[in-house]
Amino acid sequence: EAGVAQSPRYKIIEKRQSVAFWCNPISGHATLYWYQQILGQGPKLLIQFQNNGVVDDSQLPKDRFSAERLKGVDSTLKIQPAKLEDSAVYLCASSLFQLLGNEQFFGPGTRLTVL
Amino acid sequence: AQKVTQAQTEISVVEKEDVTLDCVYETRDTTYYLFWYKQPPSGELVFLIRRNSFDEQNEISGRYSWNFQKSTSSFNFTITASQVVDSAVYFCALDSIQGAQKLVFGQGTRLTINP
Repeated sequence: EAGVAQSPRYKIIEKRQSVAFWCNPISGHATLYWYQQILGQGPKLLIQFQNNGVVDDSQLPKDRFSAERLKGVDSTLKIQPAKLEDSAVYLCASSLFQLLGNEQFFGPGTRLTVL
Repeated sequence: AQKVTQAQTEISVVEKEDVTLDCVYETRDTTYYLFWYKQPPSGELVFLIRRNSFDEQNEISGRYSWNFQKSTSSFNFTITASQVVDSAVYFCALDSIQGAQKLVFGQGTRLTINP
């Protein structure tokens, strides 16, 4: 079974530029998550989708971050414009469905450096 | 509030030593799940174990064991006879209803096993 795929693996941009990350979850997984992991910290949930609908985006900085999951499969996370504090690893995860205690499967992440 | 504390930021031991990673959690829920994930240098989070709040039995899987104690709100992880391949960052996480079924991660413990 293929795991969660993410691209690119690394991205370096200058502040005020735009960037987009792509995630392909495990086939059949209805729930998709985007996390931000700042160096030395645990992952923090940014947004959660159930199929193509947003379940929780309470911690997403909506003035600069946006995400979509068209057709309930792939997802894209965008930052526009980027700030220095956005430097982090962006992890995508998926699970079969949204249920308490459900295991989440993580991708390798995209490491973003904002200069 | 839902919170996970991993007080040990970094641990370094010599191969074959036993090592315990501490995890203390806070929640008012009576139903919740606790997780341990491993994050090797490749970046993706690898699921190790899930334990629900009604099951306080300790778990052993090969060289790994977990000690869940509700009385002290702790879910500690022990590696017996550590190996160099165990070197990674380990995260403890909490999933609860009041937490809106979002994984709340601790800060992580960086474990280094020296040959």
